[in-house]
Amino acid sequence: DGGITQSPKYLFRKEGQNVTLSCEQNLNHDAMYWYRQDPGQGLRLIYYSQIVNDFQKGDIAEGYSVSREKKESFPLTVTSAQKNPTAFYLCASKAPGLDTEAFFGQGTRLTVV
Amino acid sequence: AQSVTQLGSHVSVSEGALVLLRCNYSSSVPPYLFWYVQYPNQGLQLLLKYTSAATLVKGINGFEAEFKKSETSFHLTKPSAHMSDAAEYFCAVSADRETSGSRLTFGEGTQLTVNP
Repeated sequence: DGGITQSPKYLFRKEGQNVTLSCEQNLNHDAMYWYRQDPGQGLRLIYYSQIVNDFQKGDIAEGYSVSREKKESFPLTVTSAQKNPTAFYLCASKAPGLDTEAFFGQGTRLTVV
Repeated sequence: AQSVTQLGSHVSVSEGALVLLRCNYSSSVPPYLFWYVQYPNQGLQLLLKYTSAATLVKGINGFEAEFKKSETSFHLTKPSAHMSDAAEYFCAVSADRETSGSRLTFGEGTQLTVNP
C-alpha cells in the first residue's frame, strides 16, 4: 500500500541534543512537508521541498534543518537551537497542483526530558 | 495570502444530533478548500475537498460541506453524530503555488465531543 511512514512514533530528547525524525513516502510525490502541531495552534509549516535537492523554509524554521537527497525521503533534524521542541510532528506529501490533497504520516511525538 | 478561521475550538453534541463545524476563508483568488479529521496521536485524514466542481461536496463518513462564496464559508456538517466522530477537525486552504509551493494552510482546529 502507498503511504507515508514516520519514525519513530515517540522520541525523547535531552536538552542540548540534536535528533532526527524520519519521513519516507512511496506515493511518488514530488512535494513533501513538515508541520509542527501544538495544542490549540493547528499545524504550522516548518519546511517544505518541491523537488529533490531543494527545500524552503516555512513559517517556523528556526532551530530545524532538513535534507532532500532522495525523492522518497525528507528527514527533519531538531537542533539544540530549537528552544521549545516538545510537540507532535507531522510529515506530509502532495502531488502537484493547488487542488490536490496532502497525505500525512502518523506523526512523531517528541518530548524533551 | 490565503487563510482560514475555524469558529469554536470545542464543539459538543449529543449522539444523533446535527454536527456543524464552521470554517471561513480569506483568499484573493478562488480558493481550494479541504477538511481533515485527526484522531488522537494519529496523522490527518482527508474528509473532503472543494475544487470548484460543485458547491456541495460530499465526503467520507457521512460528512459534507457547502462552499458559499458570498459568506466566504465552507462549513462541515453531518446530519447525525456518531460516537466515532469524536476527533479534531481541521479546515485548510491551498496557498499560491508561486509563493508557497502549493502548501496547505490550516485553521486552528475544532475538537468535537459526542455525548451519549
